[in-house]
Amino acid sequence: AQKVTQAQTEISVVEKEDVTLDCVYETRDTTYYLFWYKQPPSGELVFLIRRNSFDEQNEISGRYSWNFQKSTSSFNFTITASQVVDSAVYFCALRGYGGSQGNLIFGKGTKLSVKP
Amino acid sequence: DAGVTQSPTHLIKTRGQQVTLRCSPKSGHDTVSWYQQALGQGPQFIFQYYEEEERQRGNFPDRFSGHQFPNYSSELNVNALLLGDSALYLCASTTWGNRVVNTEAFFGQGTRLTVV
Repeated sequence: AQKVTQAQTEISVVEKEDVTLDCVYETRDTTYYLFWYKQPPSGELVFLIRRNSFDEQNEISGRYSWNFQKSTSSFNFTITASQVVDSAVYFCALRGYGGSQGNLIFGKGTKLSVKP
Repeated sequence: DAGVTQSPTHLIKTRGQQVTLRCSPKSGHDTVSWYQQALGQGPQFIFQYYEEEERQRGNFPDRFSGHQFPNYSSELNVNALLLGDSALYLCASTTWGNRVVNTEAFFGQGTRLTVV
């Protein structure tokens, strides 16, 4: 079975603090894809990043960075110098390459509140 | 270029009624997936349509059905509504050929369904 666990339900930080959102996944597929999405109050899921299972290189995009560790089945997301506009619910998701092609398995999300 | 559009944005229905939600995919996309997002939860995959056929289905009862039209737009129908069907229903589009490898799904803003 495939599963994504986001153990942090809610996180509250003060602006300019760094924050890391945890994601642990389970899959039997050898090839799979991991995603992070941001969901603002408007409801639309905004794509942030996709990582292939065979590419463990970490990635940095501005204030965002992602740490993919296959050995621990984790795909953590760090926001550096957080801003109020970062307040949203963040979802980690998994897409397999086998029978689950085409659909995403989401975690329950982490609600991030950044206070001024 | 319009993204994924969904209608209506909000809907209130009574238990036992039937509802139809609509989705127009992003231009150039031919594959539509539907997700149900209950309050405080991550989205759950309902089904996926390509070439007017249901290609994959999640763990949802037959009360949930869909349709895809020749212009790639899609409808989600829910019969015999239950209070537990209250949720945000999200539509996502992609291209069939790239559904796993290259293209992340683009999501609409969703339809908020309330069953009373």
